[in-house]
Amino acid sequence: DQQVKQNSPSLSVQEGRISILNCDYTNSMFDYFLWYKKYPAEGPTFLISISSIKDKNEDGRFTVFLNKSAKHLSLHIVPSQPGDSAVYFCAASGEYGNKLVFGAGTILRVKS
Amino acid sequence: DAGITQSPRHKVTETGTPVTLRCHQTENHRYMYWYRQDPGHGLRLIHYSYGVKDTDKGEVSDGYSVSRSKTEDFLLTLESATSSQTSVYFCASRVGGEGTEAFFGQGTRLTVV
Repeated sequence: DQQVKQNSPSLSVQEGRISILNCDYTNSMFDYFLWYKKYPAEGPTFLISISSIKDKNEDGRFTVFLNKSAKHLSLHIVPSQPGDSAVYFCAASGEYGNKLVFGAGTILRVKS
Repeated sequence: DAGITQSPRHKVTETGTPVTLRCHQTENHRYMYWYRQDPGHGLRLIHYSYGVKDTDKGEVSDGYSVSRSKTEDFLLTLESATSSQTSVYFCASRVGGEGTEAFFGQGTRLTVV
């Protein structure tokens, strides 16, 4: 039972345009959500997070939006850069914060 | 970055042999996690720990066991390795359960032949 879903395996965007990565979750007990970025042969690195008490969090070119009623979050990257090309994982935690569950990832390719 | 290291980084082993992967963190983080990464499945949680000697199962725990005798070390053991356990394994640690991010190691590529 996959509790965190990233339904788009890949996304290709032009440099300078917006990248939008989506994530859905099923467990209503999740109250903290994170995005990670992963390059080949490296461990995932933390990008941005959002608590369930907020609906938006921004950090430079990266913005995460949370829609609790729809159990949906999205990551916006504006403007996209070739160095953003990587695998992006959505993650969620809750239920006392112990478990940290990840989605299947989305491969982002930014074309120059 | 948090000091978290995994060893070995690469290992090839034969079917049926026991294998232990080690995760070591120097940040005094309470929580530690083991994941495996496979194409199409992303990062799947194997086991996690919420303190010394306190562990719990994740999504794909069958065939794996863990131990945490010290805060800094979290061991993952494959009791009898199978080809389906060929994967890249990542360890992560987290200072507190809620509202904090996890830091990952560089990964261990395990091949079971």
